[in-house]
Amino acid sequence: GQSLEQPSEVTAVEGAIVQINCTYQTSGFYGLSWYQQHDGGAPTFLSYNGLDGLEETGRFSSFLSRSDSYGYLLLQELQMKDSASYFCAVHTGTASKLTFGTGTRLQVTL
Amino acid sequence: DTAVSQTPKYLVTQMGNDKSIKCEQNLGHDTMYWYKQDSKKFLKIMFSYNNKELIINETVPNRFSPKSPDKAHLNLHINSLELGDSAVYFCASSQELSRVTYSNQPQHFGDGTRLSIL
Repeated sequence: GQSLEQPSEVTAVEGAIVQINCTYQTSGFYGLSWYQQHDGGAPTFLSYNGLDGLEETGRFSSFLSRSDSYGYLLLQELQMKDSASYFCAVHTGTASKLTFGTGTRLQVTL
Repeated sequence: DTAVSQTPKYLVTQMGNDKSIKCEQNLGHDTMYWYKQDSKKFLKIMFSYNNKELIINETVPNRFSPKSPDKAHLNLHINSLELGDSAVYFCASSQELSRVTYSNQPQHFGDGTRLSIL
């Protein structure tokens, strides 16, 4: 089966930088995605890594190390609206299959 | 111009009843999914269809039966509802991934159906 570990909660101040780590154990690994979910909302796609290295999309970046079975999401210039849950998810098998981590609740404070 | 829409948004019903949730996507995607998110926000895939064909069927009770009349629609029927079925059910869609290029096709989620069993 698959298992993913990420911190349950992170708190940071507005304007700061925060890194959310994700370690995984899985077979048939294809790639790692990150999704954001606000309370009461739907998960929305943020970033994806299929190969090792850093992917940057505006204030958000994501990193993958296949050899370490590890990835992280980096959020810069934090804004209050970034307060949400962030999920890492591994693509396996058919590649369309996503297995989600338990989520990290990010609280941005003033 | 909603991309993935599911109905109803809220569903409150009694134990033992049968209910259906409908999902439609207008993105032209060929793969659709059903996820269940429990009270601890754990999001778990239940089913996936590609061009009306079932490709992922996780360990889900037989009381749950998906149906895909065409590639733009994926419905979920639940028989004999139980207390443990209370959750938010999300429909999602994406294009099929290419294993050759390791490229990604993001999944687009509907707003969810909040199912409460009394």
